[in-house]
Amino acid sequence: EVQLLESGGGLVQPGGSLRLSCAASGFTFSSYAMTWVRQAPGKGLEWVSSISSSGGRIYYADSVKGRFTISRDNSKNTLYLQMNSLRADDTAVYFCAKGGGAYCFSRFDPWGQGTLVTVSS
Amino acid sequence: EIVLTQSPGTLSLSPGERATLSCRASQSVSSSNLAWYQQKCGQAPRLLIYGASFRATGIPDRFSGSGSGTDFTLIISRLEPEDFAVYYCQQYGSTPFTFGPGTKVDIK
Repeated sequence: EVQLLESGGGLVQPGGSLRLSCAASGFTFSSYAMTWVRQAPGKGLEWVSSISSSGGRIYYADSVKGRFTISRDNSKNTLYLQMNSLRADDTAVYFCAKGGGAYCFSRFDPWGQGTLVTVSS
Repeated sequence: EIVLTQSPGTLSLSPGERATLSCRASQSVSSSNLAWYQQKCGQAPRLLIYGASFRATGIPDRFSGSGSGTDFTLIISRLEPEDFAVYYCQQYGSTPFTFGPGTKVDIK
């Protein structure tokens, strides 16, 4: 069974940093693209970033470009999201999701349960 | 950026009724790279349909997707109590990948 477990969320002050992790199991992690999607409280879904299976292709939403960095460690079956210069509008539940193949242009399935990031002073 | 518009915003129906959800894209979605997700309160989204019309693993056949280009539809043929949720369409054919605002299907 595929399992994705996010961690690293919490309360951070504006301008601060956090690193999210997504521990994957139940599939060959190094063969699949991975994605981060966020959802602000009471709002819809917003794609944040995707990374190909090898890490050679990376894409970001304009809203996080230059502040967030996606990465992966295929030896540890773990996806990361380094978030710097955090703003109040980054407050959201952050989900990681598995891609349908090695490349980023694919469906997101399944999703983890999410980790809450709150940016507030 | 491809903007997705979903209609209606809310659909109030009774169990056993048919639900028809629409998703319209501001420009053509390449290779029908269009997915539908279901999200229940407090839960992660779940993939229902990908490639516009392919059911994901374990999804009941009362869910069906259709469409191409800029117009896509999700149909739930007979609503079960567990189907009352929010449904999002999403395109993954070009970056930025985008989601529609969602359609809430609630109990009438």
